[in-house]
Amino acid sequence: QVQLKESGPGLVQPSQTLSLTCTVSGFSLTSNSVHWVRQPPGKGLEWMGGIWGDGSTDYNSALKSRLSISRDTSKSQVFLKMNSLQTDDTAIYFCTRSGDGPFGDWGQGVMVTVSS
Amino acid sequence: DIQMTQSPASLSASLGETVTIECLASEDIYSNLAWYQQKPGKSPQLLIYDASSLQDGVPSRFSGSESGTQYSLEINSLQSEDAVTYFCQQHHDYPFTFGSGTKLEIK
Repeated sequence: QVQLKESGPGLVQPSQTLSLTCTVSGFSLTSNSVHWVRQPPGKGLEWMGGIWGDGSTDYNSALKSRLSISRDTSKSQVFLKMNSLQTDDTAIYFCTRSGDGPFGDWGQGVMVTVSS
Repeated sequence: DIQMTQSPASLSASLGETVTIECLASEDIYSNLAWYQQKPGKSPQLLIYDASSLQDGVPSRFSGSESGTQYSLEINSLQSEDAVTYFCQQHHDYPFTFGSGTKLEIK
């Protein structure tokens, strides 16, 4: 059974760095890609970036300068780090699995509020 | 970036009716189009992929089609649990982009 679960701080101060972890089970990180998608409250979905089975990464150019995605295959974990957070980074952050294109499995999401 | 223009933003229909939601891609995405359903407070769930393939476990009253760069999601025999939000997404090229969403309500 495929599962993904996000974890991380619920509150981050402006200008600080966000660190999130996606812990997965039921599939291999070396043969699937895992992506991060975020959703500001009451708004639409934004693809942030992803890490592929071979460990390569792709990022949304709008976030690329602030974003880093990495993984630890031994722990079945994917990490997101994004610096210089502002209030408009307040959102629900989801990790999601892709076998070949669409996002077939999603975590429950973690709400991150950027506020002092 | 490929723009996905989704319409309508909201839709009201009666139980048992058929509704259609559309997404227009700004360029050819070669059928690399997915539809998701999102219930309040939940993560999106994949309904349709590759424009018209039904994800396992999704009721057959959901269907997808395409005409050029226009993609459509049709829901037949509308049921109360269908009154949630739907998004389209192109997975042809980076950055993957989503439509702005359609909120479906029951009259």
